[in-house]
Amino acid sequence: KAGVTQTPRYLIKTRGQQVTLSCSPISGHRSVSWYQQTPGQGLQFLFEYFSETQRNKGNFPGRFSGRQFSNSRSEMNVSTLELGDSALYLCASSLAFQETQYFGPGTRLLVL
Amino acid sequence: GESVGLHLPTLSVQEGDNSIINCAYSNSASDYFIWYKQESGKGPQFIIDIRSNMDKRQGQRVTVLLNKTVKHLSLQIAATQPGDSAVYFCAERHYNKLIFGAGTRLAVHP
Repeated sequence: KAGVTQTPRYLIKTRGQQVTLSCSPISGHRSVSWYQQTPGQGLQFLFEYFSETQRNKGNFPGRFSGRQFSNSRSEMNVSTLELGDSALYLCASSLAFQETQYFGPGTRLLVL
Repeated sequence: GESVGLHLPTLSVQEGDNSIINCAYSNSASDYFIWYKQESGKGPQFIIDIRSNMDKRQGQRVTVLLNKTVKHLSLQIAATQPGDSAVYFCAERHYNKLIFGAGTRLAVHP
């Protein structure tokens, strides 16, 4: 079974721009979570979607948003990028809400 | 790939030895715990999990121990191999959110 896939794998943007990252979960998985990973802050939870509804949200500003489609694929969007948004953005999928999460390889975002 | 964490605690072991990675978690109400392994340039890989109603769980070459009294979790890796070199994270589920520890770097020397 194919794992979680994320696109693009690498991205360079400038301050003030916006970015959309995509995640395709493991086939049959209906829950998708997003995390931000930085050397300084570690792995931090952004949000979790299940059945196209956001079920949980971390402590990030409103510039960070997401959505989930009927096929369980998910996107996250960051608007008005700041230098501090440079990070590895990880997507994880699980069979159902609150089940074991399996991570994708991440999208590495660099904001200049 | 870029380092997962630049100043993580490091555990250095000889190939073939057993490794024990420790984690102190924060919340007494956490009901589920997971260990992940992350190699450079990759996403975290699930290793083993344990629910709060258990104190020990074994997998292939790995054992997780949970001590709720002192809020401590450990991961034991038997016969450590060079391929085990990575950063290891514990995570606790607290009120429906996964909270990750800072991680420990495991370095396996031949």
